[in-house]
Parts: sequence; C-alpha cells; structure tokens
Amino acid sequence: GAVVSQHPSWVICKSGTSVKIECRSLDFQATTMFWYRQFPKQSLMLMATSNEGSKATYEQGVEKDKFLINHASLTLSTLTVTSAHPEDSSFYICSAPRGDITQYFGPGTRLTVL
Amino acid sequence: DAKTTQPPSMDCAEGRAANLPCNHSTISGNEYVYWYRQIHSQGPQYIIHGLKNNETNEMASLIITEDRKSSTLILPHATLRDTAVYYCIVRTLQTGTASKLTFGTGTRLQVTL
Repeated sequence: GAVVSQHPSWVICKSGTSVKIECRSLDFQATTMFWYRQFPKQSLMLMATSNEGSKATYEQGVEKDKFLINHASLTLSTLTVTSAHPEDSSFYICSAPRGDITQYFGPGTRLTVL
Repeated sequence: DAKTTQPPSMDCAEGRAANLPCNHSTISGNEYVYWYRQIHSQGPQYIIHGLKNNETNEMASLIITEDRKSSTLILPHATLRDTAVYYCIVRTLQTGTASKLTFGTGTRLQVTL
C-alpha cells in the first residue's frame, strides 16, 4: 500500500490565490522530504528539500518566497504556492526517503490555476 | 551524480521480456544504479537498485556490466500495466544522509497486445 500520501490529489484555483499541498509519510518518520514539479511531457524537476525543524533548501531558480515549505513534524511537509498564476499549473510530487536505500513518492497533486 | 543516457521510447509485446538499457559511462565506484518508473499521472515507483552485482526482485531484474558503464532493466513478462516511463538514476549512498534523486528524460515503454 501507499506509504506516502498527498492531499489534495488535484486542485483548481483562481489566479492570485494561494494553495497548500500536504505530503505525509504514513508509517515511517521522515526528517527530510523532497518536492518535485513536473510539467506535461517533461521529467521531474527537484524544487526543494524539506528539512524537519529547519529551513528548506531550494534548488537554483526556485523562488523560496513563492513556494513556501514547512516541515512541521516528522511525518508532514507542506508546500504552499503563494499568489499562484497560470504558469504555476503543474504536477507537484513529494518524496520521502525510508532509510538510506529507497525513496517513496506520493501520488502527486495536479494544480490548475485559472 | 553521474549522468545517464536512455533511449526515449521502446515498444514491447505483452508477455514478452522488456529489456531497457541505460548508459552511465561516467559512473564512479561508490555510485549505485537505481530504476524507477512513472505510470501516467502518478508518482514514481521504486523498482530495483544495484551496485555491481546483478539483482532480482519480484518486479524486475537488473543486469550491470562488469565495467559498470551500462545496465539493463529486465521485465521478464511485460503486461499492459507496465506501460510507463522508466528512469535510470545513478546516485551515491551516504549512510544517514537522504540524498536527492535527479531524473533524466527516461524511456517511455509502451506494451502492446
């Protein structure tokens, strides 16, 4: 069964509003989680590394003030897309490492900004 | 992490073996080869990984060449549900450290009747 969940699975919002996406590890603790973004017919691009109890680490070119990440507990990380615009429409996916070997991915959240 | 090269697409008849190649000629000694797949509109799914020995699990087999510069993922009896994009990723494992995965463009496998 799924070990990483995301909520919501899809969301449609108006331009200028903020959207929060949750990523949960279901039966294990994750001090680190990763957030990816995927545009149609493209590969996954890492956006940021979410660290429990400390600031997230953002990849080059990702605006930290636009994509707010909070890793409040060992099983929950949230990504908030602030003042969303149509170009932010994408498939957002989180992952959580379990031990040193494997990363488990969430099912993804499809964001559509009108 | 070392860069990988995969063919953009492959076809396979249902019931036949699917052999997906990956070139990682710049791999270093402490880097592992990982395979993930992504079915349309879903998150990636871990398949298998290896260092230098061939590996097999319930999903697939991984064959790594002796010089470790390339590998092949084998799905022994492909089904329509195996239609997905398959990603070959090379990464270093560091004990106690969660390392990020860098995805290339992968191979789009189409399994047909």
